[in-house]
Amino acid sequence: EAGVTQSPTHLIKTRGQQATLRCSPISGHTSVYWYQQALGLGLQFLLWYDEGEERNRGNFPPRFSGRQFPNYSSELNVNALELEDSALYLCASSQTGGAYYGYTFGSGTRLTVV
Amino acid sequence: LAKTTQPISMDSYEGQEVNITCSHNNIATNDYITWYQQFPSQGPRFIIQGYKTKVTNEVASLFIPADRKSSTLSLPRVSLSDTAVYYCLVGDTNTGNQFYFGTGTSLTVIP
Repeated sequence: EAGVTQSPTHLIKTRGQQATLRCSPISGHTSVYWYQQALGLGLQFLLWYDEGEERNRGNFPPRFSGRQFPNYSSELNVNALELEDSALYLCASSQTGGAYYGYTFGSGTRLTVV
Repeated sequence: LAKTTQPISMDSYEGQEVNITCSHNNIATNDYITWYQQFPSQGPRFIIQGYKTKVTNEVASLFIPADRKSSTLSLPRVSLSDTAVYYCLVGDTNTGNQFYFGTGTSLTVIP
């Protein structure tokens, strides 16, 4: 069974540009979660999507947005990039409505803003 | 959301048992406790989850006292490959309300 896949693995952008990160959940999982992890720091919750809807949002500005497609894959968009957006962005998936069996994480997208 | 508190770091010698405690004083009735392991530049990996008393799997044990205000992850006979950051999460798994990772505990296993 394929795990959670994220693309691209690495992304380099210039300040002010937009970045788009993609995530494909495990087959059968309908919930997708996005986390930001700056170097040496913990995981900061960004967004939760379930059945195509945004269910919850962390303490991030509106320039962080996303969506979930009918096949349950998801995109994270970061507009007007700032240097401090440089981080590892992790996507996780779980079965519908919860995380009873735990989140399964992808390997992440390393975003570097220069 | 229940806030969790863990020690920032721990050291242990290879072959020893390691116990990492997490405090969650305002845990709610429907909340479960889940532990994750993270290696550098990788996503966290699910270790174990429990509601009360004791849970054991092939990797670890989770001890939860009756008041559920804390939990202890026990790793038997650690090896160098267990060097990682360990996070505990508390939340209602039915609503997906288990989002917030704490600072985690950085475990270093010494040869």
